[in-house]
Formats: sequence, C-alpha cells, structure tokens
Amino acid sequence: KAGVTQTPRYLIKTRGQQVTLSCSPISGHRSVSWYQQTPGQGLQFLFEYFSETQRNKGNFPGRFSGRQFSNSRSEMNVSTLELGDSALYLCASSLERGAGTEAFFGQGTRLTVV
Amino acid sequence: GENVEQHPSTLSVQEGDSAVIKCTYSDSASNYFPWYKQELGKGPQLIIDIRSNVGEKKDQRIAVTLNKTAKHFSLHITETQPEDSAVYFCAASITRSNYQLIWGAGTKLIIKP
Repeated sequence: KAGVTQTPRYLIKTRGQQVTLSCSPISGHRSVSWYQQTPGQGLQFLFEYFSETQRNKGNFPGRFSGRQFSNSRSEMNVSTLELGDSALYLCASSLERGAGTEAFFGQGTRLTVV
Repeated sequence: GENVEQHPSTLSVQEGDSAVIKCTYSDSASNYFPWYKQELGKGPQLIIDIRSNVGEKKDQRIAVTLNKTAKHFSLHITETQPEDSAVYFCAASITRSNYQLIWGAGTKLIIKP
C-alpha cells in the first residue's frame, strides 16, 4: 500500500515568488491536513480538507491557501514568499475526519526562501 | 488559546536505560493524546495514543500515562535502543475543533551507545 506522497521534496524560491506543493494521500483516505514544521516550533496546523472542502484553518495569513481535488489529492499554495516561510511542509492523510483517527504523514517538502 | 508544552527539548540517555518525555495541555476537555515519532528525513509516525477514559496504555517497550487532573501525559520508553533515536511529538485534541490536534514542540531523543 503506497504511503502519502509529497512533491517536490526540495524547493528553493526567491522572496516575492509563489509556490505550489502537492500531496497525494493514501488510497481511500479522504481527509488531508497540512502542517508547517520549523525547528523548535513543532507542527503548526495550516488547514484541513475533506471531500474537497476546507474544514479547518490554522492561524496563517491569507498568502497560504489550498485545495483538494475529487480524487482527494491536495495542493497548497503560498504567494508572495517571505524568508520566514522557509520550513518543512508536511501533509497528512486520514481515512476519516476526527482527532482520534490516525494521521499518516508524507516525507514533506523542504522549502527554502532566499 | 490552547497550547501543549513538551519537556525536555533534548534528552540523552544511555542505551538500555529508560526515557521519559512529559507534556502538559491547557484544554481540560481534551480527550485524545497521541505520540508521534519522527526519524531523520521522514514524516512523523504514530507510535501510541491514549484517550481520556484510560490512565495508562502499554505497547511492548512503550507506555503512555495520563493524569487528567493535572492535565499532563507522559511517554515512557524502557530498554532504549539505538533505533529509538528520533524526535518525539505529543499532541492533544482541541475541543473547539473536534477534528484537530495541537502539538508540542518536540523532544529530540539521543541514545548513547
């Protein structure tokens, strides 16, 4: 059974540019969540998608957005990149919604903004 | 707002000894507490979880204890092995959003040979 796939694995962008990250969940999983991970800050929740609808959103500026397609694949977009956006972006998929449902994480996309 | 504090940030133990990581949460209505392990270059992976109606749960060398009165829970790893070296994250469910977790900042566990 294939795991959660995130592409690309590494990305270098310049301040002011925009970027799109992709996440393919485990087959059959309908919930996809995105997290930003920085050293010492743990995992900061960005948003959750379920059945193509954003169900929850974390405390991030509007420059961060996402969407989910009918096959549950998800993308997140960051516009007008800032140096502080440099981080590991993790995607997690779950079979259903619910805090008690196990989340399966991808390896992440390492974004560096220069 | 809700938060989860995790201590220590780094823990170094001798191989074979036990390791304990502690987390404190703020939302008294939180009812689900998972622990995730993140190895270098990989995403976090669930290793054990506990719900608020249980005080302790064990799985081989790993155990989690929950004290609802004090609002803290702990991860215990016995007979540590080199493969236990990783970053460990605790999390707690947020009642205002039944489907989300709030995460601790992580503990880097180092097993010394």
